[in-house]
Amino acid sequence: EPEVTQTPSHQVTQMGQEVILRCVPISNHLYFYWYRQILGQKVEFLVSFYNNEISEKSEIFDDQFSVERPDGSNFTLKIRSTKLEDSAMYFCASATRGLTNEKLFFGSGTQLSVL
Amino acid sequence: GESVGLHLPTLSVQEGDNSIINCAYSNSASDYFIWYKQESGKGPQFIIDIRSNMDKRQGQRVTVLLNKTVKHLSLQIAATQPGDSAVYFCAESVSGYSTLTFGKGTMLLVSP
Repeated sequence: EPEVTQTPSHQVTQMGQEVILRCVPISNHLYFYWYRQILGQKVEFLVSFYNNEISEKSEIFDDQFSVERPDGSNFTLKIRSTKLEDSAMYFCASATRGLTNEKLFFGSGTQLSVL
Repeated sequence: GESVGLHLPTLSVQEGDNSIINCAYSNSASDYFIWYKQESGKGPQFIIDIRSNMDKRQGQRVTVLLNKTVKHLSLQIAATQPGDSAVYFCAESVSGYSTLTFGKGTMLLVSP
């Protein structure tokens, strides 16, 4: 089965530093998502992206966050100035049409640790 | 170093038992529901879904039940196997919005 791949699997950074988390969605998918999961808590929606623009975003996705599809295959999440509370597992997901009854495919995640 | 507990509800069963995992969802406008399985170090993996015009749906060894009156969702796993050990999340969404709202999760531990 096709997979969403994410790199790196672990990222350690100092507070205030910029990080970029990378994702390669499934090749024929058009809708892309970032979710995060703080240890022991729910998986939370951050942002959805379609046709090179943000479709929806949550209140977590503030001005410190940005997303980009720099080429035909990668989808990135940038955090400009990381805070301790940004430490979490970040999951990328993709879907073909972004419909509500459509399966989302999740990557294995990037564990971000902000020190 | 300090360890942080997951604070997840845990269901412990023996191999071969039937397991039932419950979820209370939050939004009465939600009309699509999904169960995800999350193994350690991996992303959520789709198990089964159900739309609000149904109250039961069966898959291979899994059944999802939906009670809209009390906003309750359950996942039944028949003949549970050690490979079923994971954290199980329910998720909900509203028509027209592709984003998912996840529940808290339940850890299923299956002993051989």
